[in-house]
Amino acid sequence: QKEVEQNSGPLSVPEGAIASLNCTYSDRGSQSFFWYRQYSGKSPELIMSIYSNGDKEDGRFTAQLNKASQYVSLLIRDSQPSDSATYLCAVRGGGFKTIFGAGTRLFVKA
Amino acid sequence: DAGVTQSPTHLIKTRGQQVTLRCSPKSGHDTVSWYQQALGQGPQFIFQYYEEEERQRGNFPDRFSGHQFPNYSSELNVNALLLGDSALYLCASSSRGTISSYEQYFGPGTRLTVT
Repeated sequence: QKEVEQNSGPLSVPEGAIASLNCTYSDRGSQSFFWYRQYSGKSPELIMSIYSNGDKEDGRFTAQLNKASQYVSLLIRDSQPSDSATYLCAVRGGGFKTIFGAGTRLFVKA
Repeated sequence: DAGVTQSPTHLIKTRGQQVTLRCSPKSGHDTVSWYQQALGQGPQFIFQYYEEEERQRGNFPDRFSGHQFPNYSSELNVNALLLGDSALYLCASSSRGTISSYEQYFGPGTRLTVT
């Protein structure tokens, strides 16, 4: 079992729709959770962090965390073609190491 | 506000050679982590440096070594290069002692090709 799992996609949504990206993790002791966006040929960019159960909203982005289910999600409202990228879920456990999933490719069709 | 910088941008080396990659953290950050990202994969943690010491290491052989300088900049050294070392090498910085101390900000990366 991979430590951080994501559906590789591609996930295709029409412009203006809600994109829903999901991630599960194996370490129950994990404390910090992150979503990064990575455009092709570029480095990852931090878009959301979440540390406690529930929802956290920032603009068009909402991160959701459920530690009991070991599940993290990212919702992107009013999706735009510029949101087309790979979205990486990252999880920090009890140490200093952050583990990344392989990413989900998102395509937003104009 | 200066972001994370890395050099060089691209590098081509031959099997068996050695390489040194460099990173300057974001202004105000004191912790540097190095990652290797193969095509189509997520970044894999190599190690993290804080106060000039290696604080934690991932599953990489000791051909991979690093250093952090008093100004918080860092180097990644890879000896005896293998074809499988070809990847994007990413440096990420963060600031210990803040509520968001585990938020990491990445540099543009160094694309290493081993032939």
